[in-house]
Amino acid sequence: DGGITQSPKYLFRKEGQNVTLSCEQNLNHDAMYWYRQDPGQGLRLIYYSQIVNDFQKGDIAEGYSVSREKKESFPLTVTSAQKNPTAFYLCASSLLQGDQPQHFGDGTRLSIL
Amino acid sequence: RKEVEQDPGPFNVPEGATVAFNCTYSNSASQSFFWYRQDCRKEPKLLMSVYSSGNEDGRFTAQLNRASQYISLLIRDSKLSDSATYLCVVTSYNQGGKLIFGQGTELSVKP
Repeated sequence: DGGITQSPKYLFRKEGQNVTLSCEQNLNHDAMYWYRQDPGQGLRLIYYSQIVNDFQKGDIAEGYSVSREKKESFPLTVTSAQKNPTAFYLCASSLLQGDQPQHFGDGTRLSIL
Repeated sequence: RKEVEQDPGPFNVPEGATVAFNCTYSNSASQSFFWYRQDCRKEPKLLMSVYSSGNEDGRFTAQLNRASQYISLLIRDSKLSDSATYLCVVTSYNQGGKLIFGQGTELSVKP
């Protein structure tokens, strides 16, 4: 079945450690997105990419990095510079043309040890 | 002012009730509008797109008023399974098509 797969489902980070969250889609979508959701709050955009080898900062990019080497993959690295990384991270993808909604993976919960 | 604002929740209603959610957006260049549903500790899922003429999907009706920059979602004959957080989402071509999410309105349907 086509969809978006995020892994791992749960992740724990030690102080000073970088961790990478995986996002893979087999929907042949052009655009991919990373969001962060804190308890009781809406989604905030971290980074997005509309084409391979290109990506743009969202509203809260500091402390995060991404790459888009393949159309189907958009990994997110939470660096040690992100001082408050505990959150629910959601990856999404969409077609670019027209008014296309985004489809989400089932998320990764990141916590600090 | 937030770009997308929703009714503060939570809404607690009995089964069978009709409930309406309201949402306003600040960017007059906004082009696409959606309602998403998010269950507790799960990812958001598309409920329905919102079209200028208004649209209906079973018990759910979405309306758009561009002049007032206002979107609504009406749920009729609410079911226990409708309990979730409902997210109003807007995209604008002058922002690269990014989705802007409201903070969500929580609905709890009681027996």
